[in-house]
Amino acid sequence: DARVTQTPRHKVTEMGQEVTMRCQPILGHNTVFWYRQTMMQGLELLAYFRNRAPLDDSGMPKDRFSAEMPDATLATLKIQPSEPRDSAVYFCASGLGISSYNEQFFGPGTRLTVL
Amino acid sequence: GENVEQHPSTLSVQEGDSAVIKCTYSDSASNYFPWYKQELGKRPQLIIDIRSNVGEKKDQRIAVTLNKTAKHFSLHITETQPEDSAVYFCAASIIGFGNEKLTFGTGTRLTIIP
Repeated sequence: DARVTQTPRHKVTEMGQEVTMRCQPILGHNTVFWYRQTMMQGLELLAYFRNRAPLDDSGMPKDRFSAEMPDATLATLKIQPSEPRDSAVYFCASGLGISSYNEQFFGPGTRLTVL
Repeated sequence: GENVEQHPSTLSVQEGDSAVIKCTYSDSASNYFPWYKQELGKRPQLIIDIRSNVGEKKDQRIAVTLNKTAKHFSLHITETQPEDSAVYFCAASIIGFGNEKLTFGTGTRLTIIP
């Protein structure tokens, strides 16, 4: 049963520290999405990749957030420096990238707490 | 860009009764409307979707209806059971043009009262 994996599952850090979250998409999927979930904002799209190329990062605060795909099996989301308002659950999702089939498969999420 | 509104934000129904969650979208070009279910502490998972070329789709106790003219779509759950308690998200997308982005609604927390 192929699933998206994310590490770490939980992260507690202090304000100002760098945070790196990792995602392994399902093998064969060529689209990757990063979402942030808070109680107030629901599921907010931060970044979106197709074939490792960034297509849309308009939802991401550029001054402190960065997203990359070093290879097809790894996507990273980095926050530097972190702030308390970044506390949220960060989900990664992947998809087949077939225009007629658009299901996104979500990972278990990384729960980030910035003190 | 697309904007999706979802109502209600919370919903409580007696076990066995029906639940209805409604969403509206702004972009008339949107042609794909999935619904995701997120149980407490878990990841969102697709439960049903509908494309703009059909008006209704059913899968056992869940159904989705789409009104393209009014730009709204709804999720219907009949004979609700305790395991239906979760947060439900609607979403809208334009597929077929190399775009895989989903715009999500803000979610509905559904509670089934035993």
